[in-house]
Amino acid sequence: NAGVMQNPRHLVRRRGQEARLRCSPMKGHSHVYWYRQLPEEGLKFMVYLQKENIIDESGMPKERFSAEFPKEGPSILRIQQVVRGDSAAYFCASSPGDRENQPQHFGDGTRLSIL
Amino acid sequence: LAKTTQPISMDSYEGQEVNITCSHNNIATNDYITWYQQFPSQGPRFIIQGYKTKVTNEVASLFIPADRKSSTLSLPRVSLSDTAVYYCLVGDIWTSGTYKYIFGTGTRLKVLA
Repeated sequence: NAGVMQNPRHLVRRRGQEARLRCSPMKGHSHVYWYRQLPEEGLKFMVYLQKENIIDESGMPKERFSAEFPKEGPSILRIQQVVRGDSAAYFCASSPGDRENQPQHFGDGTRLSIL
Repeated sequence: LAKTTQPISMDSYEGQEVNITCSHNNIATNDYITWYQQFPSQGPRFIIQGYKTKVTNEVASLFIPADRKSSTLSLPRVSLSDTAVYYCLVGDIWTSGTYKYIFGTGTRLKVLA
């Protein structure tokens, strides 16, 4: 999945710590999406952002989770006070956003493990 | 956003053609159909997208009947490296204002030697 860069690829946190996941979209893409995947399941939509704007966060848990896509720099998914249930793979995708029905391109994800 | 239904798993042998059918009875007029492939520990990889009839690229073909209530992904002459999970998605950005992909459990294709 060349183009969309996510880091770190693996992240280990203890319960109560904060996790920060970063996503750099493909060059020329201004729309970013975050998804979460549990083992043996499909990806679940979390949030859709454009530069400096959250467009749709209907899939985000109401507490502890936040996302941003600043004017400069990568998009950040932030999870505060992590719990065991936050363990999952988190994928970021991007699209140009200015043309009809352009598919999303995904990164290889960040695997978050909570001890 | 239309819900999709796919077979949970399929087995095939190397060199065979594999057809994976997806049902999307509630597809909307503006919806496109998109297929992704996912290997373990990787993100989904775009395979093909179409609206109607037939679309072909270097890796696959997508057949969509006139009523658009289903679609079939065709992989010609599969190899062991095609073993993966395949997802069928429908959606449209302009009608809903967002492009919120809904992933089902996908189809686990296992290619045997």
